[in-house]
Amino acid sequence: DSGVTQTPKHLITATGQRVTLRCSPRSGDLSVYWYQQSLDQGLQFLIQYYNGEERAKGNILERFSAQQFPDLHSELNLSSLELGDSALYFCASSVADSPNSPLHFGNGTRLTVT
Amino acid sequence: EDKVVQSPLSLVVHEGDTVTLNCSYEVTNFRSLLWYKQEKKAPTFLFMLTSSGIEKKSGRLSSILDKKELFSILNITATQTGDSAVYLCAVIRGSTLGRLYFGRGTQLTVWP
Repeated sequence: DSGVTQTPKHLITATGQRVTLRCSPRSGDLSVYWYQQSLDQGLQFLIQYYNGEERAKGNILERFSAQQFPDLHSELNLSSLELGDSALYFCASSVADSPNSPLHFGNGTRLTVT
Repeated sequence: EDKVVQSPLSLVVHEGDTVTLNCSYEVTNFRSLLWYKQEKKAPTFLFMLTSSGIEKKSGRLSSILDKKELFSILNITATQTGDSAVYLCAVIRGSTLGRLYFGRGTQLTVWP
């Protein structure tokens, strides 16, 4: 168990809807990352927060947004969902925003858009 | 364009065999290379390699980095069925620190 908790485990929703994915990082970790894993794209970085502030953005669509709260948990909001958004969404955390801090991943949320 | 390429894409072996997984990279401002094992759920951290030529070892798994030739290998000796998983290689760039750039992975299947 990595200590990173993601909820829900599975989510099935229709196109056009909006969902929120939740992540609680490991105790003591300040940095939270969101990744999307789809069959054709592999693991793709979406966005990173460090101690409540956005630190880096990757291939995140404008329909997606995220935030990190004062208690360090993070939420990823996906809106106007399309079929192509179906994927496994991982949250990861690390102690610091440093190349020496390996990321520890949660078990992911599997999103299915029908 | 930054690239992390893993080979082979898929590997099937029998228990007891030794396997070598490859990861080559072309990224600007390279800092570290990491190996993860992904079974059905979360990728789990195996190794982080920063210096060239220094082998990291954990039980039957070992890994080494060659920063001159821009690749890393992950060796698994005396494979077991529990080693069946996707093995992911990722790199960290100095300019983006903790963000990982992943390869597509190698699917290892170990038959009893």
